[in-house]
Amino acid sequence: ETGVTQSPTHLIKTRGQQVTLRCSSQSGHNTVSWYQQALGQGPQFIFQYYREEENGRGNFPPRFSGLQFPNYSSELNVNALELDDSALYLCASRTDRGFTNTQYFGPGTRLTVL
Amino acid sequence: DAKTTQPNSMESNEEEPVHLPCNHSTISGTDYIHWYRQLPSQGPEYVIHGLTSNVNNRMASLAIAEDRKSSTLILHRATLRDAAVYYCILRDVGIQGAQKLVFGQGTRLTINP
Repeated sequence: ETGVTQSPTHLIKTRGQQVTLRCSSQSGHNTVSWYQQALGQGPQFIFQYYREEENGRGNFPPRFSGLQFPNYSSELNVNALELDDSALYLCASRTDRGFTNTQYFGPGTRLTVL
Repeated sequence: DAKTTQPNSMESNEEEPVHLPCNHSTISGTDYIHWYRQLPSQGPEYVIHGLTSNVNNRMASLAIAEDRKSSTLILHRATLRDAAVYYCILRDVGIQGAQKLVFGQGTRLTINP
């Protein structure tokens, strides 16, 4: 059973650019969430996708968007990058079975916006 | 979002037990208490969760107060590999069923050799 993988591991962009981050969920997991973790802070929930539909969103503007594909891989897109978008972006996958289902996190993508 | 309160940092010695406290006075009757930890340069890792009763697994034990307003994560014999930031979380379920983990600042645990 493979774990959650993310690509790329590091990325440098300039202000105003657009970025796409990718996540491959753990086998058998149909739900994926994305989190943003600023330096020295705990992760903050961005949104969750279930069966290719967004079904929950945190306090993030619309320029943060996502996609989930039929094979349950997913993307996080951020438009019009701002300096404050510099952070570690984490994806987490889980199944929809059970009420207390554990989330499994990937290693993250470190985004630096200059 | 339901909130948790943890000490910013704790320190312990290798092979000694560690008790990590967490306060969650606004917990509701259906909130599960989750603990995750984040090792340096890694994503968070599930440790344990519970609702009312104390729980044990191969990584740790979770002791939950009778009124559920606090809990304690217990590492029975800390090793250097247990050095991490430990997060106590009340899992939030949104209207559409999205389950988000609301992370606080966590407790940075240092283990001395």
